[in-house]
Amino acid sequence: GENVEQHPSTLSVQEGDSAVIKCTYSDSASNYFPWYKQELGKGPQLIIDIRSNVGEKKDQRIAVTLNKTAKHFSLHITETQPEDSAVYFCAASATNKLIFGTGTLLAVQP
Amino acid sequence: GAGVSQSPSNKVTEKGKDVELRCDPISGHTALYWYRQSLGQGLEFLIYFQGNSAPDKSGLPSDRFSAERTGGSVSTLTIQRTQQEDSAVYLCASSLRRAQPQHFGDGTRLSIL
Repeated sequence: GENVEQHPSTLSVQEGDSAVIKCTYSDSASNYFPWYKQELGKGPQLIIDIRSNVGEKKDQRIAVTLNKTAKHFSLHITETQPEDSAVYFCAASATNKLIFGTGTLLAVQP
Repeated sequence: GAGVSQSPSNKVTEKGKDVELRCDPISGHTALYWYRQSLGQGLEFLIYFQGNSAPDKSGLPSDRFSAERTGGSVSTLTIQRTQQEDSAVYLCASSLRRAQPQHFGDGTRLSIL
């Protein structure tokens, strides 16, 4: 069935460093790839998304890249800050529902 | 503006009882989704509503789960004869229309004793 793998499960970086989270999807019909940030006790917050007709998208310190051939997509956060600490989820969608990765706990050490 | 609103934020109930969870989508959003987030299963899709079309119920785990959306706005997710494995956070999301970005509420944390 449809599956999204996400790595790493935990990531610790120093403030100011970059963080990269990678995902792989199985359904070649997937055409929409959002990233969510989830803080404790809150719902997932959409931070950036990309569609399959684009290879890269950037929004200030956050960027997402997509390799359709390899079925890979990645989240890049530059100049990390302590407030970036949270759980990040990738997702892929071919229809209406989102298939989520298992999440990455990002800890930014001050 | 107002986001997706879910109530209650927490619900504790005894095994075997029925529960109803409520979702108020963002005003004007025609698409509404329910997901479940649990330690063992991560975030999983349950059901999707789009306008007056028949809902996509493909993610509902058993016939104890049902959902409705009245008047194209508020939705309720009902779990009958709750079991301990139903304990999870139930998240609702809405989008302007099909295949548009989904925006989530803060969820209902359901605990079955």
